[in-house]
Amino acid sequence: QQQVKQSPQSLIVQKGGISIINCAYENTAFDYFPWYQQFPGKGPALLIAIRPDVSEKKEGRFTISFNKSAKQFSLHIMDSQPGDSATYFCAATVHNAGNMLTFGGGTRLMVKP
Amino acid sequence: DVKVTQSSRYLVKRTGEKVFLECVQDMDHENMFWYRQDPGLGLRLIYFSYDVKMKEKGDIPEGYSVSREKKERFSLILESASTNQTSMYLCASSPWGFGTDTQYFGPGTRLTVL
Repeated sequence: QQQVKQSPQSLIVQKGGISIINCAYENTAFDYFPWYQQFPGKGPALLIAIRPDVSEKKEGRFTISFNKSAKQFSLHIMDSQPGDSATYFCAATVHNAGNMLTFGGGTRLMVKP
Repeated sequence: DVKVTQSSRYLVKRTGEKVFLECVQDMDHENMFWYRQDPGLGLRLIYFSYDVKMKEKGDIPEGYSVSREKKERFSLILESASTNQTSMYLCASSPWGFGTDTQYFGPGTRLTVL
């Protein structure tokens, strides 16, 4: 039983387009929501993260939108580039509760040139 | 720069063999984790350790055990490998303390059990 549900499983976007990946969670105790990016042959690495006291966080072309009442959060990649092609994982945790992360199922993004 | 290394990138074993996967981190992190990664299922936590000789079960500990004799090293053991343990195994580490939720991952070991 996944506590964090991620969609879609795979996504193909044209270069310059917007990539959107969605996640929904069940545990209302979660209070920290990171996104990890994984390139082929590499381990996941932290991309961007948000705490629920804000509804949006932006870092360059990457934006997290957070909807606390709906228990949903999403990653938007603006002006998607072929170099963004990777697998993206959303995650959730209770901040400072042992650094335990609950991951979504992952989204494989392909950005076509 | 945090570095987490895993002993093998690819491993092929036979059913019933005992398998050791080794993970070493060089940043003096207290917490270490073992995950398996399967398509569509994301990363599932097998075991974690928050101190030397300490271990806690994750979501899917069955068929696995771990060992942490030194702070920098965390081993995953498959006592008797089975085909359903064919997967990508990822090790991660993180420091303990306020504002330190980031986990740092190794490159993974792709294990095939025949």
